[in-house]
Amino acid sequence: DQQVKQNSPSLSVQEGRISILNCDYTNSMFDYFLWYKKYPAEGPTFLISISSIKDKNEDGRFTVFLNKSAKHLSLHIVPSQPGDSAVYFCAASEYGANSKLTFGKGITLSVRP
Amino acid sequence: DAGITQSPRYKITETGRQVTLMCHQTWSHSYMFWYRQDLGHGLRLIYYSAAADITDKGEVPDGYVVSRSKTENFPLTLESATRSQTSVYFCASSPRQSSYNEQFFGPGTRLTVL
Repeated sequence: DQQVKQNSPSLSVQEGRISILNCDYTNSMFDYFLWYKKYPAEGPTFLISISSIKDKNEDGRFTVFLNKSAKHLSLHIVPSQPGDSAVYFCAASEYGANSKLTFGKGITLSVRP
Repeated sequence: DAGITQSPRYKITETGRQVTLMCHQTWSHSYMFWYRQDLGHGLRLIYYSAAADITDKGEVPDGYVVSRSKTENFPLTLESATRSQTSVYFCASSPRQSSYNEQFFGPGTRLTVL
């Protein structure tokens, strides 16, 4: 059973607009949530994270929102830029779980100039 | 160079052959991981290691073997490669005292099994 779900496989937005990438999870024991960004032929790179004790974390153009009651998080990118075009993975982890992360399937974001 | 490296970056092999993918990190991170990325499946954990000589299975371990005799190296071996093991393989590492259990990934190895 998939514990981290990214149900939309792709998203296309216009440059300058907001990109909203969604992620749902089923395991209520998750304490940490992370977003990774992946360009073709490269490894994933860490983008932003949030702890379960918070509902928002912001870093420049990137903001992650967490709704624990709905077991839902979203990544907002404002404004979107063509260089943001990549695959975005949502990941989750339990405290003390040997640093293991559970990943979603990823969302391919395309930002049109 | 500092960081996490993988070799080879690309590998073509035949069904039934043994192949080893190498992973090396220079940070002395305690934890190391192997993932495979396949279309429609995202990143799936194959094996992980909490320290030298300590390894454990992940979600999809069948057909793979790992070892970790030194902290910095974590090789992944396909003992008898099958076509279903055609994939992109990523190695990652994480320090023991990591905020959010953040992992750092290598550049990947694209493996094709004919």
